[in-house]
Amino acid sequence: ILNVEQSPQSLHVQEGDSTNFTCSFPSSNFYALHWYRWETAKSPEALFVMTLNGDEKKKGRISATLNTKEGYSYLYIKGSQPEDSATYLCAFIRGGGADGLTFGKGTHLIIQP
Amino acid sequence: EAGVTQFPSHSVIEKGQTVTLRCDPISGHDNLYWYRRVMGKEIKFLLHFVKESKQDESGMPNNRFLAERTGGTYSTLKVQPAELEDSGVYFCASSQVRQGYGEQYFGPGTRLTVT
Repeated sequence: ILNVEQSPQSLHVQEGDSTNFTCSFPSSNFYALHWYRWETAKSPEALFVMTLNGDEKKKGRISATLNTKEGYSYLYIKGSQPEDSATYLCAFIRGGGADGLTFGKGTHLIIQP
Repeated sequence: EAGVTQFPSHSVIEKGQTVTLRCDPISGHDNLYWYRRVMGKEIKFLLHFVKESKQDESGMPNNRFLAERTGGTYSTLKVQPAELEDSGVYFCASSQVRQGYGEQYFGPGTRLTVT
């Protein structure tokens, strides 16, 4: 059984502040880690696909790091804006050929003006 | 380029009835996935098609669920007969690249309510 844990479950951040949250996943048989941004009633939108230990990816004010040996990834948002309010999902793919994503429950981020 | 589309957006049916959900992937994407999110829980994988073939259906909950992808284009997911616990949001996703390296493009989901 694969467990992908995300913390915190929800987060309130003041506009302009920076924030980060965590995704933990099994460190054995790692293949890839995906981050998605999901606004209610919309499609989850891919942010990053990460495959290499030590990988760091950036898209605008959002960045992510990956540690496959200890089984965690951090997502950082710099200078939060109201439009960053969403649920951030991480999803793990294990080695062995299966491509289905195993999701965490997500971190629900609310940016307060 | 059109994204992944799903129909209907919302369906309300009674226990014991049948419902068919449809997914149109991005044109040219051979890989098509179905996922489900039950309220309060994480999104869970149901199955994966490569073209018209079922590559992995390990997440299908039971034999009341039948997925098809005739011709390797759009896919349908039929629930027959529906039970209360089938309520949730059913997502479809497609990707061009296999092996987990490629991002999966999600549709907006079909919200299924079984009463």
